[in-house]
Amino acid sequence: EVQLVESGGDSVQPGGSLRLSCVASGFTFDDYWMTWVRQAPGKGLEWVANIKEDGDETYYVDSVKGRFTISRDNAKKSMYLQMSNLRVEDTAVYYCASGRIYFDNWGKGTTVTVSS
Amino acid sequence: QSALTQPASVSGSPGQSVTISCAGTSSDVGGYFYVSWYQHHPGKAPRLIIFESRHRPSGVSNRFSASKSASTASLTISGLQADDEADYYCSSYRSTRTSVVFGGGTKLTVL
Repeated sequence: EVQLVESGGDSVQPGGSLRLSCVASGFTFDDYWMTWVRQAPGKGLEWVANIKEDGDETYYVDSVKGRFTISRDNAKKSMYLQMSNLRVEDTAVYYCASGRIYFDNWGKGTTVTVSS
Repeated sequence: QSALTQPASVSGSPGQSVTISCAGTSSDVGGYFYVSWYQHHPGKAPRLIIFESRHRPSGVSNRFSASKSASTASLTISGLQADDEADYYCSSYRSTRTSVVFGGGTKLTVL
């Protein structure tokens, strides 16, 4: 069974940092691009960032460029999202998903709240 | 980065069909067959129901079908069931910024 499990969500103040993790099982992790998608309260899904199978290519939505860094460790079947200089508008449920253009497996999400 | 345009809500009675549209531009929906659709029950993980504009993943009911014409994609759900009540999102590859863009989502209510 394919599983993606996110962790690391928390409540932080504006300007703070968090590191989200996503652990995969049930599929060949290093054969897949991986992606972070978020959903702010009452809003729709938003693509955040993705990373190539070998980690050599990464792409970000404009609003997080320079603040978020996506990475992966294929030996640990894990993907990460290092978030810094967090803003109130980064408050969301963050989902980990497998795939580059379409996302066939999703985690249940981890909640990030940025508030003073 | 502007989202793809979806109606905020649609509704239908059990057994009926509904269609959800997804409008984009030549840089995304109109330029590629990389349109996907997701079903999202609040509090759960989103579920892929259509990929590459019209293909269903294994296990997805054939009551879900999709198509694309120019810069507008459409999802049709036939034989509506109570469990179809959910939020539906389209997404597309977008050549500018080499990214993926989602629609704003459509809330389907089964009356």
